[in-house]
Amino acid sequence: QKEVEQDPGPLSVPEGAIVSLNCTYSNSAFQYFMWYRQYSRKGPELLMYTYSSGNKEDGRFTAQVDKSSKYISLFIRDSQPSDSATYLCAFQTMDSSYKLIFGSGTRLLVRP
Amino acid sequence: DSGVTQTPKHLITATGQRVTLRCSPRSGDLSVYWYQQSLDQGLQFLIQYYNGEERAKGNILERFSAQQFPDLHSELNLSSLELGDSALYFCASSVATGQSGNTIYFGEGSWLTVV
Repeated sequence: QKEVEQDPGPLSVPEGAIVSLNCTYSNSAFQYFMWYRQYSRKGPELLMYTYSSGNKEDGRFTAQVDKSSKYISLFIRDSQPSDSATYLCAFQTMDSSYKLIFGSGTRLLVRP
Repeated sequence: DSGVTQTPKHLITATGQRVTLRCSPRSGDLSVYWYQQSLDQGLQFLIQYYNGEERAKGNILERFSAQQFPDLHSELNLSSLELGDSALYFCASSVATGQSGNTIYFGEGSWLTVV
């Protein structure tokens, strides 16, 4: 079983739709959960950062963490064509490096 | 702009050659991470340095090496290059303490093509 599972998509939605992106993970030690957005051939950009379980909202974006199910989600409301990108879930390790383990990314296309 | 600077942005080189990728972390960040992103592998952690010392190693080949200098910039050296080394190489940095929960910021990457 891979440490992080993420559906690669692509996910195609019409403009204005609510988008749901998800990841599952197997390491119960993860405490910090992130979502990065990556435009084609660009560096990943941090979107959301959540500690432990619960919800966090920032504008049109909501991140949810369910540690009991080892499942995290990112919701995008009122999606825009500019949201078209690859979304990567990331988990911070608790060893001395605190490096990030990434999902494979979900490609999102928002159609005008 | 994340504040992490990587050079060069694009690089084309032949098999068997050696290249050096350079990274300047955000001001004040002591921790530098290197990641490789290829089409079929996603973002893979290579190596981390913290204040000049190697902190963690991931899936880094023996042909690859890195270092972090006293001014905190880092270099990733790739030698005996093979076609399969073609990828985007990202540098990332995090705040000085390197503790858990610190945000990690990525540069724009160096796109290496081996021909």
